[in-house]
Amino acid sequence: DVKVTQSSRYLVKRTGEKVFLECVQDMDHENMFWYRQDPGLGLRLIYFSYDVKMKEKGDIPEGYSVSREKKERFSLILESASTNQTSMYLCASSPPGTLSEQYFGPGTRLTVT
Amino acid sequence: AQKITQTQPGMFVQEKEAVTLDCTYDTSDQSYGLFWYKQPSSGEMIFLIYQGSYDEQNATEGRYSLNFQKARKSANLVISASQLGDSAMYFCAMREGRDDKIIFGKGTRLHILP
Repeated sequence: DVKVTQSSRYLVKRTGEKVFLECVQDMDHENMFWYRQDPGLGLRLIYFSYDVKMKEKGDIPEGYSVSREKKERFSLILESASTNQTSMYLCASSPPGTLSEQYFGPGTRLTVT
Repeated sequence: AQKITQTQPGMFVQEKEAVTLDCTYDTSDQSYGLFWYKQPSSGEMIFLIYQGSYDEQNATEGRYSLNFQKARKSANLVISASQLGDSAMYFCAMREGRDDKIIFGKGTRLHILP
């Protein structure tokens, strides 16, 4: 059974803290993605990675960075968390070059106070 | 311009009725894929159904079918005999052949009434 896991379901952090959100997939997928989801805005792509150490900016990369040192792990980093980064964060993975779906993790609901 | 448009922010439907969730898309690619995902209140994204641009028949998966009208760039999701457990957020999405990214619509929140 395919699996994407995220390190936390719920997270509460203070403004200015450095925050790490971890995502791990066991499907040997090349592509991994980070989205944030806000009411009325759907899913917006923050960053994606199509290989180890490779990354590309999505639609809303400001205030975020990513790291992919191993194929199975893709980390989202909030260098200095702000209240407007309170959101649901979803990680996904997919194989490359085919018109296949993305597999999602359970999501992390982050609150920045 | 939006690539995926879902015009119904919310819908209320009586249990056991059929439901159609609208989705239109915009692409100049000949090769693309269309997806529908369900997101219950628990938050996980559940893949429901896929339609390829070259598929001549409409995709079906159990109670879900995709009404694909290529000329109109329309990919509506039809749920037959709705159930209370169908209450959720539904997202239409597209993956263009030249790109590994999937573009999502803003979603439709479906409420099934007993």
